[in-house]
Amino acid sequence: GAGVSQSPSNKVTEKGKDVELRCDPISGHTALYWYRQSLGQGLEFLIYFQGNSAPDKSGLPSDRFSAERTGGSVSTLTIQRTQQEDSAVYLCASSLGTGSTYEQYFGPGTRLTVT
Amino acid sequence: AQSVTQLGSHVSVSEGALVLLRCNYSSSVPPYLFWYVQYPNQGLQLLLKYTSAATLVKGINGFEAEFKKSETSFHLTKPSAHMSDAAEYFCAVSDRGSSNTGKLIFGQGTTLQVKP
Repeated sequence: GAGVSQSPSNKVTEKGKDVELRCDPISGHTALYWYRQSLGQGLEFLIYFQGNSAPDKSGLPSDRFSAERTGGSVSTLTIQRTQQEDSAVYLCASSLGTGSTYEQYFGPGTRLTVT
Repeated sequence: AQSVTQLGSHVSVSEGALVLLRCNYSSSVPPYLFWYVQYPNQGLQLLLKYTSAATLVKGINGFEAEFKKSETSFHLTKPSAHMSDAAEYFCAVSDRGSSNTGKLIFGQGTTLQVKP
């Protein structure tokens, strides 16, 4: 079946612009996670959703970052007023349920470059 | 707080040689432990995970890892490297307590190079 998909695959934006990154999880997966992969910080957790609610937003680096999930499916990560340090690969993962006993399936990521 | 340390950002082995990628964790209670592999321009794929059953965990592609509580380690091994094993490998930890959300804390990653 279809895996986790993310769009766009690459995004180049100018400093100060807003960007939206999209994640389509595997159908039926109730949990959805966002991670960021950058050269300086490695792989970091950003936020996770159980259904449409986000019980843990502890990894969002600043209030310029926000995310939502609608219909228990698609999620959008929005970065406002982008900065060069936001350049990274943003990875989305989904799982059947919440908790570490459920495998997380990762999408290919969105590579964001802020110029 | 939980953390993961991967010793060696870059490991190079010859084809057919033993692969050993090191991972040590820090956690107040034994956590769940994972190894993921990432091929260029792809997402992460789960190789194996430890959730408290057998301490020797077998995964895909001939990889295995052993949980050693006394050493707080979860090293990844493969008896004989193949060219297709060249990739980046990440060790990760997750809380098993009441706050078990599945959130993964990753190590810095180890790039495995396999020489012909």
